[in-house]
Amino acid sequence: NAGVTQTPKFQVLKTGQSMTLQCAQDMNHNSMYWYRQDPGMGLRLIYYSASEGTTDKGEVPNGYNVSRLNKREFSLRLESAAPSQTSVYFCASVYRWDPQTSQYFGPGTRLLVL
Amino acid sequence: AQTVTQSQPEMSVQEAETVTLSCTYDTSESDYYLFWYKQPPSRQMILVIRQEAYKQQNATENRFSVNFQKAAKSFSLKISDSQLGDAAMYFCAYKGGRETSGSRLTFGEGTQLTVNP
Repeated sequence: NAGVTQTPKFQVLKTGQSMTLQCAQDMNHNSMYWYRQDPGMGLRLIYYSASEGTTDKGEVPNGYNVSRLNKREFSLRLESAAPSQTSVYFCASVYRWDPQTSQYFGPGTRLLVL
Repeated sequence: AQTVTQSQPEMSVQEAETVTLSCTYDTSESDYYLFWYKQPPSRQMILVIRQEAYKQQNATENRFSVNFQKAAKSFSLKISDSQLGDAAMYFCAYKGGRETSGSRLTFGEGTQLTVNP
């Protein structure tokens, strides 16, 4: 099992450009999440998908859109990138709602917006 | 809304000694779960230990243990016999116990731990 994979690993964008961050998991997990990590702020939830066909806003959704393409894949789109979106982005997944279960994280995507 | 606070941005410890990382949280829920994650320079998030709020006994995983004080809403991590490989950023995280929470995690700001040889 590859676990949770993310592409790309690193990306440089110019202000106003768009891009999609891809996430896939091969663990048959139901729920998937997108977080951003900024220095001194920990990880903050952008969007999540509790199950295939549903998506919900997290703590910092502005400037982002998501698509739960199927059970395996959950993408994050920046329509018009801004320097404030420079961050490290993590995708995570969990099998089902199980309060004792911790999320599995991908390796992260480092995004630099100039 | 739940909040998680880690008041120590940086900590250091000598190899083989013990260090305690602090975490406090705020919630109105009675059923919840708390986690400590480790993030080494590779950026991979690694689960260290978890605690169920309904359990009075503190969780332990080898050299890692927690001091869970529910009334004080405190959840500290103790690392015994520190090793060079323990050097990392450590995050405290909260998850609500209700299904409507969607298994969402709320993270603290992180504590950067340095282990000195």
